[in-house]
Parts: sequence; C-alpha cells; structure tokens
Amino acid sequence: ETGVTQSPTHLIKTRGQQVTLRCSSQSGHNTVSWYQQALGQGPQFIFQYYREEENGRGNFPPRFSGLQFPNYSSELNVNALELDDSALYLCASSSGTGAWETQYFGPGTRLLVL
Amino acid sequence: KQEVTQIPAALSVPEGENLVLNCSFTDSAIYNLQWFRQDPGKGLTSLLLIQSSQREQTSGRLNASLDKSSGRSTLYIAASQPGDSATYLCAVKDSGGSNYKLTFGKGTLLTVNP
Repeated sequence: ETGVTQSPTHLIKTRGQQVTLRCSSQSGHNTVSWYQQALGQGPQFIFQYYREEENGRGNFPPRFSGLQFPNYSSELNVNALELDDSALYLCASSSGTGAWETQYFGPGTRLLVL
Repeated sequence: KQEVTQIPAALSVPEGENLVLNCSFTDSAIYNLQWFRQDPGKGLTSLLLIQSSQREQTSGRLNASLDKSSGRSTLYIAASQPGDSATYLCAVKDSGGSNYKLTFGKGTLLTVNP
C-alpha cells in the first residue's frame, strides 16, 4: 500500500471529449509524475510537477496538461481524446526530485476511448 | 535517448524453479535502476531499487544485480511460486538532464505453473 490513490478506477469516453483524472499523493510528497501505459507496453512518462510547477515533460502533445494543488492532489487533463489515448494512467508521488527520490505509484485509472 | 529492453517478453516455468529475468539499457549514465511487479490491470509495486554505486540488492527470494558499465541488470527469483505470476518491469533513472523521469522496459510476463 503506497498511500497514493487515483480516481476514477475506470472511465469510458468518446473520441473528441475531454477527461480529467485525479491523483492524491502521499502526505508530504511535493512531487507528482504521470505515466501512460498502453496495453502490452511499459509506462511512458507524460510529465512531472514539483511544488505546483511543471518540472519536466515527455513526448506528449499539449492537449495533455496537468495541475498540482497544495493539498498533495493533482490532475491530468486530456483534451480532444483520440482512440490511441486508451490506456492505464498511473500517477506516482515522491518527496523531492532528482537522484534520490523514489516514486510511489498509485493503482491507475483505466481509460477507454471509443 | 535512453532505451530499456527486457528479455524474454514472456516466460512460463513450473513451480519451484529458479529463474532469471533480464533488463538492458542503452545509456549507462544512470542514477538507479528499479524492478517493479505489476498484476493484471493494476498499478506498480516496487520490488528492488539499486543505486548506480551498488552491484546488487536482495529482498527475500529476490535478488537484483546491476552492471552499469555494460548496461545490464538481472532479477533472480528463487524457488518460484504461483503467486509470483505477474509482469515484471525494470526502469532506469537517468543522471542527465532528464533525471526527473523513469524510463521503462516493456516487461516480462511471468507465469508460474503449479
């Protein structure tokens, strides 16, 4: 049990819609990272937020955006959904950034885009 | 660009067998390497984390080794049990400018037959 929770657990959307996924980090963790895991693939880094600012971004288009709040919660927003956005979305929280931080993963949100 | 490869993609063994999972990475400039377990449709559970200065880590029946210079890591599972059935992922954290993210392999799907 990592103490990281995500909601909802499952979600079905249609192409072109917008979606918001939520993550609640462990208390005291000021860093949150989001990953996308397509079926049969390893997780791919989307972006990281540290103290409510974007700290790094992977190879994802701008329609993927995020927010981090002072209460250790965060959101991943995806606009103009495409079929290929269907995946498991994982958030991971950590205290700090860089070499020594260990990321603790939540259970994920399964998104299906029809 | 860091790339992580895991071999084999799938492995099926009888209960009680010792087994080795392999992970290789292309850029040896890493801070650490981590092995995760993922049950179907679930999040990631961290098994072992090896810092770049370490050669191996052990936890119960699991032993992970790291040869940073050759870009290789192995996860050894002793006396496998049906409960070990899962996908095993390895991930590296680079020591360069992208040290905020983990780069994952695609995983090895392990089935331990009773």
